Amino acid sequence: AQTVTQSQPEMSVQEAETVTLSCTYDTSESDYYLFWYKQPPSRQMILVIRQEAYKQQNATENRFSVNFQKAAKSFSLKISDSQLGDAAMYFCAYCEGNYQLIWGAGTKLIIKP
Amino acid sequence: KAGVTQTPRYLIKTRGQQVTLSCSPISGHRSVSWYQQTPGQGLQFLFEYFSETQRNKGNFPGRFSGRQFSNSRSEMNVSTLELGDSALYLCASTGGAGGPNEQFFGPGTRLTVL
Repeated sequence: AQTVTQSQPEMSVQEAETVTLSCTYDTSESDYYLFWYKQPPSRQMILVIRQEAYKQQNATENRFSVNFQKAAKSFSLKISDSQLGDAAMYFCAYCEGNYQLIWGAGTKLIIKP
Repeated sequence: KAGVTQTPRYLIKTRGQQVTLSCSPISGHRSVSWYQQTPGQGLQFLFEYFSETQRNKGNFPGRFSGRQFSNSRSEMNVSTLELGDSALYLCASTGGAGGPNEQFFGPGTRLTVL
């Protein structure tokens, strides 16, 4: 069965600095999708960034970028110029195209002013 | 465009009761998925519906069921509630321009079982 592991329960970063959240996954499939979702205290789950496994180029969305290493089954999220509004739980998720997201345990990101 | 809506936002029930949660997807989205979020088990997939048919089901007991209506609105039902069913229940819809796997989430229903 596919699994997603986030080894950092909590991370903290100084405002305006850069932070990287780690995610590894286990699968025998070659086609799949990976996501990073953000869940602020309001509990609304918000998509941050997505990556299709067949694309070698790493996805980027403004201050958010990923480092996708398919062979290593690694999918880390880099947040540049951290802002107070980035404070939230961040979840890494995997999907094979059957609409079933498999989630990591989450990383709590704390932004220090 | 309105986002995914879930009602009610909060519910308190007692053990043995049943509960029905509702989810209205983004207009034009035909796939609705449900997830359970608890501190102990994290986020777990319950089921997914498309065009009124359940296409995929997670590893939950038969007390958890759902359905989808012709307007894509979905309901999930939990019968014979147990204390462990206390959770945030999230609904997500899919079908926008982002592709079939980009799921948009509602605010969730917080269920407390006493």
